[in-house]
Amino acid sequence: DAGVIQSPRHEVTEMGQEVTLRCKPISGHDYLFWYRQTMMRGLELLIYFNNNVPIDDSGMPEDRFSAKMPNASFSTLKIQPSEPRDSAVYFCASNNGGGRGYTFGSGTRLTVV
Amino acid sequence: RKEVEQDPGPFNVPEGATVAFNCTYSNSASQSFFWYRQDCRKEPKLLMSVYSSGNEDGRFTAQLNRASQYISLLIRDSKLSDSATYLCVVKGNNDMRFGAGTRLTVKP
Repeated sequence: DAGVIQSPRHEVTEMGQEVTLRCKPISGHDYLFWYRQTMMRGLELLIYFNNNVPIDDSGMPEDRFSAKMPNASFSTLKIQPSEPRDSAVYFCASNNGGGRGYTFGSGTRLTVV
Repeated sequence: RKEVEQDPGPFNVPEGATVAFNCTYSNSASQSFFWYRQDCRKEPKLLMSVYSSGNEDGRFTAQLNRASQYISLLIRDSKLSDSATYLCVVKGNNDMRFGAGTRLTVKP
């Protein structure tokens, strides 16, 4: 199993630009989660999907952030326009429900200058 | 009040020492509990689940006290390779909430 795959690993962009982060969950996992990690705030849940449907997006910081899951094997997190305070590591994770833990991808380290 | 609170440390211990981490959570309806380990610049990885009866995995022992809303992790005979940040995790229906993590450094 290839695990949760995220791309890109690193992204450096200028303030105001659009950023798109990508995630491929583990095959057969029907839950997908987007987290953001910073030194100040730790790991924060942004949004999660079940069977491609967004269930809870209350963690999405503001309208500049949007997430989609067009099919069971792909999700995107988009920031438009990006700001320096969006600089963080963004993790995607998946699981197949129940009381199990999540498997995380390697993360995307985003720097907005 | 944060949903999941941990002592951030750092804990600096010699090889072979026993070290314990504690965690409290605020949501009494939480259903599942975990400890994750995160190495520097890496993703969090599941260390172990935590059960009400307590559970052990080699040198690691986890305990849960639902009445006190308290979780613990004990590491015996610590190794250099145990150096990492340990994250306490509480799960409701489907989403997991993470503590800020406790940093452990094991020194020779």
